[in-house]
Amino acid sequence: QKEVEQNSGPLSVPEGAIASLNCTYSDRGSQSFFWYRQYSGKSPELIMSIYSNGDKEDGRFTAQLNKASQYVSLLIRDSQPSDSATYLCAGGTGGFKTIFGAGTRLFVKA
Amino acid sequence: GAVVSQHPSWVICKSGTSVKIECRSLDFQATTMFWYRQFPKQSLMLMATSNEGSKATYEQGVEKDKFLINHASLTLSTLTVTSAHPEDSSFYICSARRLRDTTYEQYFGPGTRLTVT
Repeated sequence: QKEVEQNSGPLSVPEGAIASLNCTYSDRGSQSFFWYRQYSGKSPELIMSIYSNGDKEDGRFTAQLNKASQYVSLLIRDSQPSDSATYLCAGGTGGFKTIFGAGTRLFVKA
Repeated sequence: GAVVSQHPSWVICKSGTSVKIECRSLDFQATTMFWYRQFPKQSLMLMATSNEGSKATYEQGVEKDKFLINHASLTLSTLTVTSAHPEDSSFYICSARRLRDTTYEQYFGPGTRLTVT
């Protein structure tokens, strides 16, 4: 069973802090990894894709991938209350099938 | 990012009737689309994978005769909930996969909230 594991949280950080979200995956054949943000009552929104080991930065977001450790993370710098949402980690298998984690709830306190 | 639309955004229907939900990829072609269901405060649940021009692949436990999927073109997939019952009330979300060289990305529509009375 191919799985993507995330801590369900909630993760609570003060406004302006760095929020660190973590994820592990079981399928060593996974080549593509994604972070989605889902606000309550809304559908998921793709915020980051990462395919190679290392860091990928986009604005306040940095995705980190370590294939040897089968670990993916998302850092959110200067966290804002509007970042409060559930963050879904996902891994793409060799057949382009996406396996989603259950999500981590993030609360950013003003 | 890419745009996926879904229609209707919400629908209320009576028990026993059928409801059709449309999913369109607006600015890319999607040979594969996915249908998910999500109950309040629960995780996404993949219902089926829809491939253009062929039959959909349903996940275990999902009734294919109840949830009819048609992927008529590279930009359109439809989900029909037949003989809907109150327990089918849920948030239905479609997703489209965009291939990019040797990788891909998957984009979600805004979802359809179905209430069966």
